[in-house]
Amino acid sequence: DVKVTQSSRYLVKRTGEKVFLECVQDMDHENMFWYRQDPGLGLRLIYFSYDVKMKEKGDIPEGYSVSREKKERFSLILESASTNQTSMYLCASRTYRDNEQFFGPGTRLTVL
Amino acid sequence: AQSVTQLGSHVSVSEGALVLLRCNYSSSVPPYLFWYVQYPNQGLQLLLKYTTGATLVKGINGFEAEFKKSETSFHLTKPSAHMSDAAEYFCAVSDSGANFNKFYFGSGTKLNVKP
Repeated sequence: DVKVTQSSRYLVKRTGEKVFLECVQDMDHENMFWYRQDPGLGLRLIYFSYDVKMKEKGDIPEGYSVSREKKERFSLILESASTNQTSMYLCASRTYRDNEQFFGPGTRLTVL
Repeated sequence: AQSVTQLGSHVSVSEGALVLLRCNYSSSVPPYLFWYVQYPNQGLQLLLKYTTGATLVKGINGFEAEFKKSETSFHLTKPSAHMSDAAEYFCAVSDSGANFNKFYFGSGTKLNVKP
């Protein structure tokens, strides 16, 4: 069964902290994505990676960075968390063959 | 870049009534089209997708959607709503060309089902 897991369901951090959100997929997918979801705005793409060590900026990359050292793992990094980064973060993966994205359960991040 | 418009951020229907959730996209070439459902505090789950072939696509839980190129629409329907259908629904589009990797999501429609 297809599976995308995220390291935390809920996370509370303080302004200025460095935050790591981890995503792991077990489907040998080439592509991985990080989105943030806010009410009324749908999903907005932060970064994506089409292969190991490759990354592309999405629509809202400011304040974020990513790391993909292994095919199955894609990390989202908030270098210095701010209150406007309080959001739901969703990770997804995809294979070229199906062009269907599989989503993790999400991490609800609160920055105080 | 693509844009995806979902008409109505909230839709309310009675149990047993027809469900119609609207989605329009902007694209000059046939894209790939998707509907996802999100239950509270969960990730997104694929309901159905259109890539090529038959324009009427059937998905899980009795949902279906029809790709209408002339109207650039991909509306989601279900003949008879069930209480368990209450969730948020997202329409998404993926290019078939240079931006193949990117998905564009609508802002979502929350479906409420009244008993």
